[in-house]
Amino acid sequence: EVQLVESGGGLVKPGGSLRLSCAASGFTFSSYSMNWVRQAPGKGLEWVSSISSSSGYIYYADSVKGRFTISRDNAKNSLYLQMNSLRAEDTAVYYCARKKLNSGSYPFDYWGQGTLVTVSS
Amino acid sequence: QSALTQPASVSGSPGQSITISCTGTSSDVGGYKYVSWYQQHPGKAPKLMIHDVSNRPSGVSNRFSGSKSGNTASLTISGLQAEDEAEYYCSSYTSSSTLVVFGGGTKLTVL
Repeated sequence: EVQLVESGGGLVKPGGSLRLSCAASGFTFSSYSMNWVRQAPGKGLEWVSSISSSSGYIYYADSVKGRFTISRDNAKNSLYLQMNSLRAEDTAVYYCARKKLNSGSYPFDYWGQGTLVTVSS
Repeated sequence: QSALTQPASVSGSPGQSITISCTGTSSDVGGYKYVSWYQQHPGKAPKLMIHDVSNRPSGVSNRFSGSKSGNTASLTISGLQAEDEAEYYCSSYTSSSTLVVFGGGTKLTVL
C-alpha cells in the first residue's frame, strides 16, 4: 500500500525557518517525481515545488522561489522541503504528493495527509 | 486569484448529471492535453479522479468523465450520489514559470 506521511509542521514566527519531511513507503520511491502542494485555511490548492526522481529537475512556484528548497534522499525514501524567510501567507497545510508515472503531465496520484504550517508572531 | 477559473458552486439531485467547467488559457488548458481533476472531502487529502483530460485512474467510478474544448476543460459526474458531495479542483500543466496551476475549486452539493 502506498503511503506518504508528512511531518515537521508547526508554529513559526515570520522570518523563521522550518523543514518538512515526507516518508514514503509501499512503492519504489526512487522511480517517481515528487511534489509539495499547499492549501491555505479555507482556500484552494497551490502547487509549491517538484523534484524529479534523481533530483536532476527541480521546479518552484514563483511565490516560494528563493525561499524554499526541495530535496530528496532516495536511500531513505524521503522527501524534504526546507522553508526559510517564512511569511504569514505561507500558512497552510502542506501535502506531499506523488506524480503519476508514465504521464506527460503532472497528475498527483497519491497524497499524504498533510502537515500544518502556521506562520504567526 | 487562481490561474484557472471554476464556478464556486454547483448542485444537483441524486441520479442527475452535473458538469464543472475549468477555464484557462492557451498556455495551460488550451495548449496541452494535461488537465487533471481532484476530489476533496472536508479534512481529507485530494484524490485524483481524472488525468490527461479524460483518463480515469484505476478504481475511480466510470460515472466520472472529463473532456476539453479549446481553453475550457470539463468534469462531468453522472448518476449523482450523496458521497459525490465534495470540493473539486482542476489543474493543468502550464508553460509559464509555474509548472502546475490549479483552479479555485468548485463546491458540489448533492441536494
